[in-house]
Amino acid sequence: NAGVMQNPRHLVRRRGQEARLRCSPMKGHSHVYWYRQLPEEGLKFMVYLQKENIIDESGMPKERFSAEFPKEGPSILRIQQVVRGDSAAYFCASSSLPTGSNEQFFGPGTRLTVL
Amino acid sequence: LAKTTQPISMDSYEGQEVNITCSHNNIATNDYITWYQQFPSQGPRFIIQGYKTKVTNEVASLFIPADRKSSTLSLPRVSLSDTAVYYCLVGDRSDSSYKLIFGSGTRLLVRP
Repeated sequence: NAGVMQNPRHLVRRRGQEARLRCSPMKGHSHVYWYRQLPEEGLKFMVYLQKENIIDESGMPKERFSAEFPKEGPSILRIQQVVRGDSAAYFCASSSLPTGSNEQFFGPGTRLTVL
Repeated sequence: LAKTTQPISMDSYEGQEVNITCSHNNIATNDYITWYQQFPSQGPRFIIQGYKTKVTNEVASLFIPADRKSSTLSLPRVSLSDTAVYYCLVGDRSDSSYKLIFGSGTRLLVRP
């Protein structure tokens, strides 16, 4: 059973471009969470999705950021018109139940660098 | 969710036991204590979870005193590969706790 998969692992964008980060949850998991981690800091919650629904996007910036988890295919975190401050590691986690603590399994992350 | 306080960093040597203490003075009755481990360039990985007294698994032990205002993660006989950041999280295990709240963690460096 493959773990949570994220791609690309590294993404370089110039200011103003769009960044698309993909997350394939563990098999059988229908709950996906996105977190952002700045250097030397802990992870910060961004958004929680269940198949085709955004449950909680309270941690996501109001502008330029969006997320989706379609019925088929991976979850996508989309950042439009990237700025240097968006440079960070973005982690996706999944779970089979909508609970926290030990039931979230994390992917390897996508490291976004904005030039 | 309860705020946690951990040492910023710790140094140890191979073969030693490492104890990392986390303070959570405002822990609520329904809160559990969970520890995650994060290696460089990887996502966090669950280590152990407990509510009170002592919990042990194949990786670590977790000691929680009666007042639950602190907890100690114990790593027996660490190796170089245990060099990582260790996060203490406190929260309710209900549906509303899906927002895992990570502090800055404790950076453990294991030296040969």
